[in-house]
Amino acid sequence: EPEVTQTPSHQVTQMGQEVILRCVPISNHLYFYWYRQILGQKVEFLVSFYNNEISEKSEIFDDQFSVERPDGSNFTLKIRSTKLEDSAMYFCASRQESEKLFFGSGTQLSVL
Amino acid sequence: QQQVKQSPQSLIVQKGGISIINCAYENTAFDYFPWYQQFPGKGPALLIAIRPDVSEKKEGRFTISFNKSAKQFSLHIMDSQPGDSATYFCAASRSGATNKLIFGTGTLLAVQP
Repeated sequence: EPEVTQTPSHQVTQMGQEVILRCVPISNHLYFYWYRQILGQKVEFLVSFYNNEISEKSEIFDDQFSVERPDGSNFTLKIRSTKLEDSAMYFCASRQESEKLFFGSGTQLSVL
Repeated sequence: QQQVKQSPQSLIVQKGGISIINCAYENTAFDYFPWYQQFPGKGPALLIAIRPDVSEKKEGRFTISFNKSAKQFSLHIMDSQPGDSATYFCAASRSGATNKLIFGTGTLLAVQP
């Protein structure tokens, strides 16, 4: 079965550093998402991306965050200057026209 | 209004028993209600989903019951197995440009052998 692939699985960074989280969505999918999950808490929506632009973003997704689909296959989340509270598991997800959303295995980001 | 409330926070069931997890929502614009299963270190995986035009949907041992008037829906796992031990999230979304999912707080299910 096709999968959403995320790399790296773990990322450790210093506060204030930039990080890029990478995702390869399922190839024929059209809608792309980033969600995050702070340890032991619920999964929270960050941003959705369709037709090469952001379609919706949450309050969490401030100016420090950006997304890009640079080459038609990869989908990246950049955090420009990481904060301690950015430590979380970040999930990429994708779907076709139906609502069925497929999640990757996540990138555990630890900001020290 | 965007919240989805989920209970219980954790649940212990004996093998072969029935696991029941409940969710409630407020936003009547929600029209898609999935349940996700998450194992440690993995992403959520869609288990089963329902739309408000039906009151029940069954897939194997998993059943969603939906009560539109009460704005509640629940997941029933029949003949629970140790391999069902995971965290379960209910979610809701509204059809539209983004279909973003609003997740419940999760239920940690432990099925004892």
